[in-house]
This record gives sequence, structure tokens and C-alpha cells, in this order.
Amino acid sequence: DTEVTQTPKHLVMGMTNKKSLKCEQHMGHRAMYWYKQKAKKPPELMFVYSYEKLSINESVPSRFSPECPNSSLLNLHLHALQPEDSALYLCASSPYPGQDEAFFGQGTRLTVV
Amino acid sequence: SQELEQSPQSLIVQEGKNLTINCTSSKTLYGLYWYKQKYGEGLIFLMMLQKGGEEKSHEKITAKLDEKKQQSSLHITASQPSHAGIYLCGADTGSGAGSYQLTFGKGTKLSVIP
Repeated sequence: DTEVTQTPKHLVMGMTNKKSLKCEQHMGHRAMYWYKQKAKKPPELMFVYSYEKLSINESVPSRFSPECPNSSLLNLHLHALQPEDSALYLCASSPYPGQDEAFFGQGTRLTVV
Repeated sequence: SQELEQSPQSLIVQEGKNLTINCTSSKTLYGLYWYKQKYGEGLIFLMMLQKGGEEKSHEKITAKLDEKKQQSSLHITASQPSHAGIYLCGADTGSGAGSYQLTFGKGTKLSVIP
């Protein structure tokens, strides 16, 4: 299994809603990442989890809350988002932090209304 | 902060033609990654280069990292419609083990006309 699986593929939420994005990998990777990609822009790093601990938070607003319950799972909890948060959210994993290529999921297309 | 400049921004080629995409960094590259992305989808890893002068090939795609490690090129030979997509270069901006961070260029949109 060499896949990073993200669910849901599409999500529409209101500004007062609470929702979560899920990312799963079963490759035994110990580093997992959340990226945000706006239309026609490159992905931008949001969070890095290294051995299930948050190691990097790129000054992301607190309305985005990451969680790594175990080494295979990464969640992104969303609350009180703004329309400008609408984007493609990409999850990635790599064998270890700082080594080798990252495998990316297909992304969750989020629309905030 | 490290910046990656990709050129060209977009490219339209006839099927069967060769093409080259460039990625130039404002700082020394310690790890350079090439990804391909279809619109609205995840990134597909193509290649990683680390050593100056390194060259890697996979099927009809060849990537090189120059000796000074500040520029990389991606070359596609005999392009096919399946090569169409957005090509992104990414650089490892971390300072060492445990600090993996990828910064991406703005991408090159490739269209291949049958």
C-alpha cells in the first residue's frame, strides 16, 4: 500500500460549522504534513508532524487545529473558517522527517460559504 | 526565505516534441523535488535530486541538478498527452534532520496537443 488517503474529497461548510479532514497512510511513515493550496498557487506548508508530535506550525490561524492520534492517521479540525480559507488541502507523508520523497494524497477540496 | 522561480509559466507543445522546464533557487538547494499535479488533485512524486551534477531519469523524463546546486531542469522527451499537467519543483528548506519543509515554485502548466 503506497497511498495516502484523504477524506472527504469535497467539503462544503458554513462559517459556523465544525468539520474535520482526515488523512491516512499505512506505509509506516513517521512524518506527516498538511499543505494548503489556493487556486493557481503552489502548495503552502501548514503543519508537520514528526513521530506523532507537532514539530512545525507555519503560523497557521487557530481555527485550524491538527491532530495526530497515531502514526497512521492525521486529522485537521476546522472551526469558524472564513471564505478565504476555501482551498485544496493536501496531506503528505514521508518515511522520516527530512529524508526521501513525500507521498501526497489527492486532497480535500474545501469550500467555505 | 528560499524562493523558487520556475520557467516557463506555461508551455504548449505538439505531441512528440521535446521540452524543458527550469527551476532556479535563490539559495543552495539541499534537496530538489519534482512533482506533477493534475488540476485539483494531489501531487505525484517524479524525482528527487540532492547532489550537484546529479541526473535522474524515469521513462521519458530526465531531471538534472546543476553543479552549484541552485538550478534544476526537467526534460521530457517525445511528449505525450499523458504528460500534460502542472509541474512543480520543491526545495527542502530544512536545516537538517527532522526539519523537513518543502517550499514550492509556482508551477509550469504543460499542455500537449495531439
